Amino acid sequence: SQTIHQWPATLVQPVGSPLSLECTVEGTSNPNLYWYRQAAGRGLQLLFYSVGIGQISSEVPQNLSASRPQDRQFILSSKKLLLSDSGFYLCAWSEQGNTEAFFGQGTRLTVV
Amino acid sequence: AQSVTQLGSHVSVSEGALVLLRCNYSSSVPPYLFWYVQYPNQGLQLLLKYTTGATLVKGINGFEAEFKKSETSFHLTKPSAHMSDAAEYFCAVSQVGTYKYIFGTGTRLKVLA
Repeated sequence: SQTIHQWPATLVQPVGSPLSLECTVEGTSNPNLYWYRQAAGRGLQLLFYSVGIGQISSEVPQNLSASRPQDRQFILSSKKLLLSDSGFYLCAWSEQGNTEAFFGQGTRLTVV
Repeated sequence: AQSVTQLGSHVSVSEGALVLLRCNYSSSVPPYLFWYVQYPNQGLQLLLKYTTGATLVKGINGFEAEFKKSETSFHLTKPSAHMSDAAEYFCAVSQVGTYKYIFGTGTRLKVLA
């Protein structure tokens, strides 16, 4: 069966520090991969999605970037965090063909 | 462009009462529609989905939703609320080939004893 792993679960980082959040999927190949951010009262905002290795689409201009170095690995990064980067970050995957998306357990990022 | 509107950011019901969470969507082509549930500090879990076929869809934990094309709605219902249903619920839409899932802003359900 397929599983998705996202880490760390919580992270407290100072303003200006770098960020790396990692997500891996097991039990499937060539998945679509997604990074969402959830801010209080604002629902889920799609940040990045990827339909293949090295193929990244950005939905909103921001301080973050994403990479997909391997088929089932998706990384969210920042060179210098801002206070506004605080939030709950969710990684997700779906099969090609757009049935449901499956979510990781999320990372609570607090920038101080 | 696709969009999702969830009416009511907070809904309170008594235990045993009907749960109705509203979702309206906008899509230029037939959509796929989803309801997800999120418990505090956790990821999202799929409750149910509509892709094609029967418009009344049954999901886990006694929830169901009906796709009404004429009303562009996909409201979530449960006949009798349980305390364990207290959570945040998200409606989402996607289209084949767009690779994207667009979510509503969520409805927080509170169940009163």
